[in-house]
Amino acid sequence: QVQLVESGGGVVQPGRSLRLSCAASGFTFRNYGMHWVRQAPGKGLEWVAVISNDERLQYYPDSLKGRFTISRDNSKNTLFLQMNSLRTEDTAMYYCATSVDGACGSWGQGTLVTVSS
Amino acid sequence: DILMTQSPSTLSASVGDRVTITCRASQGITDHVAWLQHKLGKAPTLLISRASNLESGVPSRFSGSGYGTEFTLTISSLQPDDFATYYCQQHNGYSRTFGHGTKLEIK
Repeated sequence: QVQLVESGGGVVQPGRSLRLSCAASGFTFRNYGMHWVRQAPGKGLEWVAVISNDERLQYYPDSLKGRFTISRDNSKNTLFLQMNSLRTEDTAMYYCATSVDGACGSWGQGTLVTVSS
Repeated sequence: DILMTQSPSTLSASVGDRVTITCRASQGITDHVAWLQHKLGKAPTLLISRASNLESGVPSRFSGSGYGTEFTLTISSLQPDDFATYYCQQHNGYSRTFGHGTKLEIK
């Protein structure tokens, strides 16, 4: 049974950095691409990043390129999201998800990031 | 990035109704569309991938269709558990984008 557990969220000041983690279990992590998706309060889902199973390829929406970096450690079954120069509009619940033929398949419960002074 | 225009944004319906949600892509994406269900406070659930492939465990009252730029999600007979927000997601090429969501409410 796929299990994804996000961590690392919290309250951070604008301009600071935060690193999110996603611990995976119940499937062969190294065989799957992985996504990060976020949902701001009262808003819809927004795709944040995707990484290939072997970490060679990473893609982001144009709006987030340069500030966010997705990475993974297949030896530890863990996905990461490094977020720099955080803005108030980055306040959201952040989810990790498996990539199923490119779509977001199984999801974690999310970790909340609040950017506020 | 490819834009996904989803409609309606809100849909009021009753148990037993047949409902349809539509997504239009800003460019052709063959059949690279997924549909997801999201309930408040829970993780989203993938219902359909590749426009019409029902995921394991998803009830057969859910179906998807479409190709190119026009896609639909149909629920043939609404059940109480189906009242939630639904999103389309394109998964073509390098980027992924979601529609803005359709909130399905009880009439």
